This record gives sequence, structure tokens and C-alpha cells, in this order.
Amino acid sequence: EAEVAQSPRYKITEKSQAVAFWCDPISGHATLYWYRQILGQGPELLVQFQDESVVDDSQLPKDRFSAERLKGVDSTLKIQPAELGDSAMYLCASSLLANTEAFFGQGTRLTVV
Amino acid sequence: AQSVTQLDSQVPVFEEAPVELRCNYSSSVSVYLFWYVQYPNQGLQLLLKYLSGSTLVESINGFEAEFNKSQTSFHLRKPSVHISDTAEYFCAVRKETSGSRLTFGEGTQLTVNP
Repeated sequence: EAEVAQSPRYKITEKSQAVAFWCDPISGHATLYWYRQILGQGPELLVQFQDESVVDDSQLPKDRFSAERLKGVDSTLKIQPAELGDSAMYLCASSLLANTEAFFGQGTRLTVV
Repeated sequence: AQSVTQLDSQVPVFEEAPVELRCNYSSSVSVYLFWYVQYPNQGLQLLLKYLSGSTLVESINGFEAEFNKSQTSFHLRKPSVHISDTAEYFCAVRKETSGSRLTFGEGTQLTVNP
């Protein structure tokens, strides 16, 4: 069964260091999302891609976060420098079209110390 | 912008009891509605969705939800829960317009006790 792949599953980093997460969506899915989920809260959209273009990054802290999907397939989310408040689960999701259901990966649990 | 309110942060129930997880949404336009389930340290799995048609939608594992436009609600129900239903449940809404974001509620932790 096709699924969204994310790596790493867990990451511990020191504050002020750089960290990157990778996501490979389900094959053929044009829309890719990065969500941040703080413990005890619902996921919050950070960035949404349609193919290689960003269609929504209004909640992305652009001073330290960046995201790219260069060939319209896999994607990387980077944080530089990491802060203690960035500790959270980072979820990647994809959908066939922008208005259909989203399928989620297992997530990357980030701990900043 | 749309928003989602899940009225209960925690719902403890006994095994084989019925359960209802409440969800209300706010939007000025027509929306699609979803329920996702999340097990510890896992991603979210789609449980069921309302896109159009019948307002009562069902999942393969016995959950159902009813879209009530006048009450702007999409409550999730199950007549008899199992221990394995223990998880976090998220209600989500998306506007029908293409490219709109999927907005989640804060989640409801369902704990089924023996």
C-alpha cells in the first residue's frame, strides 16, 4: 500500500543548530503539506505545495524555517537555527489534488535541547 | 477563515459503552469535513469524510459521523467501543474551493477502560 515516507522518525538537536526533515509523498500526489503538531494540540499547517510551487506559507516562520520541493516530488523542511519552542512533531501529508483527503506520514518527532 | 472546535479534550469511557466526540465548525462557505485518528507517536489516519451526498458517513470499524449544516456540527459516534479505539481523534475542515488549507481542531483523547 502506498504511503507517505518521512525521515528521520526522531531527532534531537541542540538549540541554535540546523535541522532538516525529508518527506516523500505518495506517487502521483501533486499537493504536499508540512504540519507542525505541538504536544496536546492539533496539527497546524506550515506550508502547502502544489507541484513545486508554494501555495500557502502564511504560518511558516520564514526567519528560521524554509521548505522546498524542487522537482515537485519529495520535499525538505529546514529549521535554522532551532529554538526550544520548535520541539514538536512535524507531519508531512500529500493529496492527489488540493481539495481531496490528505494522507499523512508517521511524522518526525523533534526535540530541541 | 474556517475554524474547528472540539468540545471535549478528554473522553473516558468503559469498554462496550457508546461514545460521542463532538465537533463544531465555523465557515462562511461550504466545506468538506473529516475525522482523523492518531495513535501515540504515529501520523494521522483518515477515519471518515463528508464531501457531499448523504449526511451520515460511516467508517469500516464502526464509527459514524453526521453532518448537520444548521448546527454546523460533525459529531463522531460509535455504539460500542473497544480498548483498541483508545487514541486521539481530530476533526478537520476544508473549504470546497481548490487549494484551501485543511484546518484541525485541538483533538479529543478517547480512553477506553476495561
